[in-house]
Amino acid sequence: GNSVTQMEGPVTLSEEAFLTINCTYTATGYPSLFWYVQYPGEGLQLLLKATKADDKGSNKGFEATYRKETTSFHLEKGSVQVSDSAVYFCALSAQAGGTSYGKLTFGQGTILTVHP
Amino acid sequence: DADVTQTPRNRITKTGKRIMLECSQTKGHDRMYWYRQDPGLGLRLIYYSFDVKDINKGEISDGYSVSRQAQAKFSLSLESAIPNQTALYFCATSVGLAGGSYNEQFFGPGTRLTVL
Repeated sequence: GNSVTQMEGPVTLSEEAFLTINCTYTATGYPSLFWYVQYPGEGLQLLLKATKADDKGSNKGFEATYRKETTSFHLEKGSVQVSDSAVYFCALSAQAGGTSYGKLTFGQGTILTVHP
Repeated sequence: DADVTQTPRNRITKTGKRIMLECSQTKGHDRMYWYRQDPGLGLRLIYYSFDVKDINKGEISDGYSVSRQAQAKFSLSLESAIPNQTALYFCATSVGLAGGSYNEQFFGPGTRLTVL
């Protein structure tokens, strides 16, 4: 079945540091890939997405590139801010036509804390 | 703004009680989902519905039931609550198959349920 594995957290950084959160996946065909963010006390919201190999998703200074050859979708940001403190989830949606189509499979989440 | 709302936001109950969590959406989406979030486990799918007459079990449906009363409403019930159902519960929606190819989901703010 489909699965998503994220790097273990929590991650603690100083403001303006470089961020990488690793994400790898297992799925057949060409899934769509997502990063969701959950700020304290809130629901999840989509941060960025990529729907085909070599696509780069970007939003709010965050980027992730869909790497089919390494089955990865690592999240990066060049300079984090205190306001980026949140839980980050990598997720995939199976390719159309399969029995898992229409459902999201989530990684376990990575807690990011950014200090001033 | 079109939105996904959940009621209640917090609930404390006792073992053996019946609990209903409600979800409403004004996005006009066909698909609705219920997830639970536990620390270190990410989000796990409980039930999902692709339209009013279509209800499907997710990966952890035991102990839960759902009702899709209308396109806009999807309720989750715990018939006899137990302590290991203490968790954060999220409702989500997405467009139907014809409307979206990558299944972005939109989440409600969550319901924190504690079973004593």
